[in-house]
Amino acid sequence: AQKVTQAQTEISVVEKEDVTLDCVYETRDTTYYLFWYKQPPSGELVFLIRRNSFDEQNEISGRYSWNFQKSTSSFNFTITASQVVDSAVYFCALSEGDTGGFKTIFGAGTRLFVKA
Amino acid sequence: DTGVSQDPRHKITKRGQNVTFRCDPISEHNRLYWYRQTLGQGPEFLTYFQNEAQLEKSRLLSDRFSAERPKGSFSTLEIQRTEQGDSAMYLCASSPQLAAYSYNEQFFGPGTRLTVL
Repeated sequence: AQKVTQAQTEISVVEKEDVTLDCVYETRDTTYYLFWYKQPPSGELVFLIRRNSFDEQNEISGRYSWNFQKSTSSFNFTITASQVVDSAVYFCALSEGDTGGFKTIFGAGTRLFVKA
Repeated sequence: DTGVSQDPRHKITKRGQNVTFRCDPISEHNRLYWYRQTLGQGPEFLTYFQNEAQLEKSRLLSDRFSAERPKGSFSTLEIQRTEQGDSAMYLCASSPQLAAYSYNEQFFGPGTRLTVL
């Protein structure tokens, strides 16, 4: 069965600190897609990144980087030199390509507070 | 604005009443999703449309919930005989289908916040 676990409910950091948000997933499929979304205080979810199960290459986009490790079923997200504007709830999500149908399963989210 | 729009943004109703929400996806997107989000939780999948066909519906969705996408464009979500437990944010998202069995990012609307008194 599909499952996404974000064990960190809340994280609080001081501006300019690095922070890593953890995501562990469960799936029976060999083809699947992983996502990270950001939900700022304004409420609208914003897409950050997509990874398919055949692409384990890590990715960096500005201050954001993602570490995908199939061996540990993890897809962690790191923000380098955090800023107050990074304060939001971050969700990890999973879509299965073979047997999972068309639904996307979201984790419970990690609320990040970045203090000035 | 070419993003996903939802109407109304807020709805307050009394228990037992019916409510209907509308979602207008990004025009070229053929995939449309409905989610429910409660405080402190991630979005919970409700149903999925590919064009006008409803291809998946969550087992969590009771018979009081129905969704349509009659012409493959906008979609409506109706809740009949609302209960206090239906109070939540209802999110709509759309996505392009660039390849079969491929999952692309979803673009979310601002949501409709339902309060059932």
